[in-house]
Amino acid sequence: GENVEQHPSTLSVQEGDSAVIKCTYSDSASNYFPWYKQELGKGPQLIIDIRSNVGEKKDQRIAVTLNKTAKHFSLHITETQPEDSAVYFCAAPSGNTPLVFGKGTRLSVIA
Amino acid sequence: DTAVSQTPKYLVTQMGNDKSIKCEQNLGHDTMYWYKQDSKKFLKIMFSYNNKELIINETVPNRFSPKSPDKAHLNLHINSLELGDSAVYFCASSQSSGPTDTQYFGPGTRLTVL
Repeated sequence: GENVEQHPSTLSVQEGDSAVIKCTYSDSASNYFPWYKQELGKGPQLIIDIRSNVGEKKDQRIAVTLNKTAKHFSLHITETQPEDSAVYFCAAPSGNTPLVFGKGTRLSVIA
Repeated sequence: DTAVSQTPKYLVTQMGNDKSIKCEQNLGHDTMYWYKQDSKKFLKIMFSYNNKELIINETVPNRFSPKSPDKAHLNLHINSLELGDSAVYFCASSQSSGPTDTQYFGPGTRLTVL
């Protein structure tokens, strides 16, 4: 089955700096890669996703890049703000499982 | 205007009891899911229903029984609760069961088994 590896598990950045979270996947048939943000006490919320027909997608301060050859995708957050502090999850489909999640990255933005 | 809602938000109970968690979505989606998030934040799918029919059962103990009375509702009943069942349970929904359909999550139910 799919194995989605995510790193780092924790990340601290100064406000205004950039943050990068990386994920690798094993199922070469995977073609959809969402990123979710989970704030304390809440459910995961989709922040951006990318499909395998593009290599990069941006939405304001958030971007996702995909390298299908290397089977990895990354989340980039620029000009980080304290409200970006949360746990971020990558995910990818595998076989009959719609989404297999990475183990999460706890991002702390220090003001 | 909540998209995916769950009740209750918190559930504290004794070992051996039976409990249910309810989920409703008002997005008009065909597919609903139950996920379990453990204390280390690991998020793993348990079940998936499409138009009231079970399509995914990820080796979950048969003490867990999902029920979908209609495609807007997916409830989770748990018999003979064990300490290891303590976790946060999330309901989610998507337009269909396709691998590229965005999943929308509910706020979660924190289950504590004493």
